[in-house]
Amino acid sequence: NAGVTQTPKFQVLKTGQSMTLQCAQDMNHNSMYWYRQDPGMGLRLIYYSASEGTTDKGEVPNGYNVSRLNKREFSLRLESAAPSQTSVYFCASSEAYTGELFFGEGSRLTVL
Amino acid sequence: EDQVTQSPEALRLQEGESSSLNCSYTVSGLRGLFWYRQDPGKGPEFLFTLYSAGEEKEKERLKATLTKKESFLHITAPKPEDSATYLCAVPENSGYSTLTFGKGTMLLVSP
Repeated sequence: NAGVTQTPKFQVLKTGQSMTLQCAQDMNHNSMYWYRQDPGMGLRLIYYSASEGTTDKGEVPNGYNVSRLNKREFSLRLESAAPSQTSVYFCASSEAYTGELFFGEGSRLTVL
Repeated sequence: EDQVTQSPEALRLQEGESSSLNCSYTVSGLRGLFWYRQDPGKGPEFLFTLYSAGEEKEKERLKATLTKKESFLHITAPKPEDSATYLCAVPENSGYSTLTFGKGTMLLVSP
């Protein structure tokens, strides 16, 4: 079972470059999330999509955009990468109104 | 102000040495408390949900308990394969769609 699949797993960018992190889930979940994880900061929510067609900001949305392409796919875009966006990014999905999140394996992004 | 605080930040145990991890929270009207396990280089994996004070859940050597102010993850006779970072999380005050995570406790169990 694939579960939640994130691509790419690793990426190095230069300051100012743009990129999109892709996420797809095969569990027919309504809700999808993007978190970032930094040492000493824990997991912080960037954006989420409670259901297909909706997106909302989380705790740290600045510098990011998202697209819920369909029920399966939720992408995260960095329009102009900054060194502060160096982090490990996790996509997750869940049924609506449940705290049981299923996470992908993460995308490690370095911005030079 | 942090809604979720975990302690200790790191814990080193010998195999078979039981201990507990703590998760304290400040949200009012708790709508659930969630425990996750995260192995190095992997995404978090769901362990337990607790909804009301006094509730307990068990899985192998792990038992999670909940009071009105905190939750404990008790680890009985741990094995090296229990080494991981353990995260707790609560739904945000503004709704039930998203979770706020604590910073985690890194557990290392030595043979």
